[in-house]
Amino acid sequence: EAGVVQSPRYKIIEKKQPVAFWCNPISGHNTLYWYLQNLGQGPELLIRYENEEAVDDSQLPKDRFSAERLKGVDSTLKIQPAELGDSAVYLCASSLSGYTGELFFGEGSRLTVL
Amino acid sequence: TQLLEQSPQFLSIQEGENLTVYCNSSSVFSSLQWYRQEPGEGPVLLVTVVTGGEVKKLKRLTFQFGDARKDSSLHITAAQPGDTGLYLCAGVEGNKLVFGAGTILRVKS
Repeated sequence: EAGVVQSPRYKIIEKKQPVAFWCNPISGHNTLYWYLQNLGQGPELLIRYENEEAVDDSQLPKDRFSAERLKGVDSTLKIQPAELGDSAVYLCASSLSGYTGELFFGEGSRLTVL
Repeated sequence: TQLLEQSPQFLSIQEGENLTVYCNSSSVFSSLQWYRQEPGEGPVLLVTVVTGGEVKKLKRLTFQFGDARKDSSLHITAAQPGDTGLYLCAGVEGNKLVFGAGTILRVKS
């Protein structure tokens, strides 16, 4: 069974440029998460989707971050414009339904903003 | 806001030694998960504990959930270099999952 797939694995951009990350969750998983992880820290939730509905986006900086999950499958996370402080690893995860079970994480997309 | 504090932040030991890492909170969680994350990878679930006082064993790893469901510990017996990684605890409360900052474990051969 294929795991959570993320792309790109690495991205280097200059500040003020836009960037987008893509995530394909495990087939059949209704819940999709985007997390931000700084070096040596735990993941912090940015947004959680139940199917195509964003049910928790309270920690998403909406002035520059946006996300979508069209058709309740793949998801895209966008940053525009990027700032130096956005340098981090962006993790996508999926689960069958909510937090009651295991979260399966992708390998992450490492963003460096110069 | 629920906070999970993990200690120690960093641990470097020799192969064969035993160790314990801790996860503490002032909040009560309905369940608690432990993940291990290797460099360049996403976290992978090791175990979920649900009942206060519960003890689960996974080979050389022993996980315990506190009686009050506010804290947990992970004990590794005879650590091996393959145990190296970032160990994260995550508490579930309602529709929230909160991660601790993690313990970085390095096992030297």
